[in-house]
Amino acid sequence: LAKTTQPISMDSYEGQEVNITCSHNNIATNDYITWYQQFPSQGPRFIIQGYKTKVTNEVASLFIPADRKSSTLSLPRVSLSDTAVYYCLVGPPLLYNQGGKLIFGQGTELSVKP
Amino acid sequence: DVKVTQSSRYLVKRTGEKVFLECVQDMDHENMFWYRQDPGLGLRLIYFSYDVKMKEKGDIPEGYSVSREKKERFSLILESASTNQTSMYLCASNPRGQTYEQYFGPGTRLTVT
Repeated sequence: LAKTTQPISMDSYEGQEVNITCSHNNIATNDYITWYQQFPSQGPRFIIQGYKTKVTNEVASLFIPADRKSSTLSLPRVSLSDTAVYYCLVGPPLLYNQGGKLIFGQGTELSVKP
Repeated sequence: DVKVTQSSRYLVKRTGEKVFLECVQDMDHENMFWYRQDPGLGLRLIYFSYDVKMKEKGDIPEGYSVSREKKERFSLILESASTNQTSMYLCASNPRGQTYEQYFGPGTRLTVT
């Protein structure tokens, strides 16, 4: 099973770029990496996913090195509304009939200050 | 927008009671999931279903069962609630073949006394 490790918390200021790293040393060959954002009293919300190298969408970038033992979520120019908990998820493309498991990290609490 | 709704935001039950948590999604998704979220432990998968009447155990299925009689509805059942099942329960759904971009409901905060 690919256990994940993230920093418990991070602080930043508005306008800065924030990078949150997730360590997953035992990632399996067919595992994908997904990041979620969660605000208090809400369910998590999908941000981005990737398998290798770099993925970018309208809200974030995901950097995955060649060995795939870690990944970095990059949030450009954060605002106060980006204050949330960010989860790294590592899991296989098919859950059923493979015995694969979805492993969520413990989450990183990002606090953005004015 | 995808909408995943859960029957209650807050629920208080007594030890030994049978508890039903209901989840409904309106986007015709094949996959549905139940998680519990606890401080320091993150989200842990309890059960998931990839089709009507189909279910697979997740990481922590002990003490829980599920039911999927209709495509849009996925129920989590605590046969005999215990205090260690006090938690936030989250339901999610997504289309077949898309394991990672899941759409979550708002959660049910269950307290077992």
